[in-house]
Amino acid sequence: DIVMTQSPLSLPVTPGEPASISCRSSQSLLHSNGNNYLSWYLQKPGQSPQLLIYLGSTRASGVPDRFSGGGSGTDFTLKISRVEAEDVGIYYCMQALQTLRTFGQGTKLEIK
Amino acid sequence: QVQLQESGPGLVKPSQTLSLTCTVSDGSISSTSYYWSWIRQPGGKGLEWIGRVYTTGSTDYNPALKSRVTIAVDTSKNQFSLRLSTVTAADTAVYYCARASSSGWYGNAFDIWGQGTMVTVSS
Repeated sequence: DIVMTQSPLSLPVTPGEPASISCRSSQSLLHSNGNNYLSWYLQKPGQSPQLLIYLGSTRASGVPDRFSGGGSGTDFTLKISRVEAEDVGIYYCMQALQTLRTFGQGTKLEIK
Repeated sequence: QVQLQESGPGLVKPSQTLSLTCTVSDGSISSTSYYWSWIRQPGGKGLEWIGRVYTTGSTDYNPALKSRVTIAVDTSKNQFSLRLSTVTAADTAVYYCARASSSGWYGNAFDIWGQGTMVTVSS
């Protein structure tokens, strides 16, 4: 199994300030086709997860451009350029390289 | 926009079988472009992939649950289902159904999720 490890697990942020979440995988997520099979999700309070980023850095439809994803291989980062109140929730990374999909533990973003 | 909706009993007794259904709306489960998955989330915890089914009925399961899980598709009803046998309190969770591409679209990420259904295992 590919183990996904996120940090930090808790992230208090002042509105308007940037935020960054790290995700590391126990194996490289870089496919021979050049794509990194890493996605990011946001689970807002009381809701199901929603797709933010796929293939490591591509924003899903409707996702604000303050969200950006980067990294390759085993190290990935989700960045929010200026946090807004609506960004609170738990952020998960997930690998889709192997059939057995695995998620990170989640990072809870809260507003200071 | 395709929508997914989970349904089934909210309470299951220990040692019995948990059964859930996911209904696909505004789209066809017979599409050869997608896998249909079940994912669960125990209270206050992270996400666990249970398994998936393709329109042909082909399945893949999480090895940790494989001996107890059956996922099936019913194209006539545009639904797919989850059966989890011999449940214990550890199976108490919110259960989600979700869609992912089988063709590489969206990097095979889960692009559409159901709202989730809470299942409690208790006598």
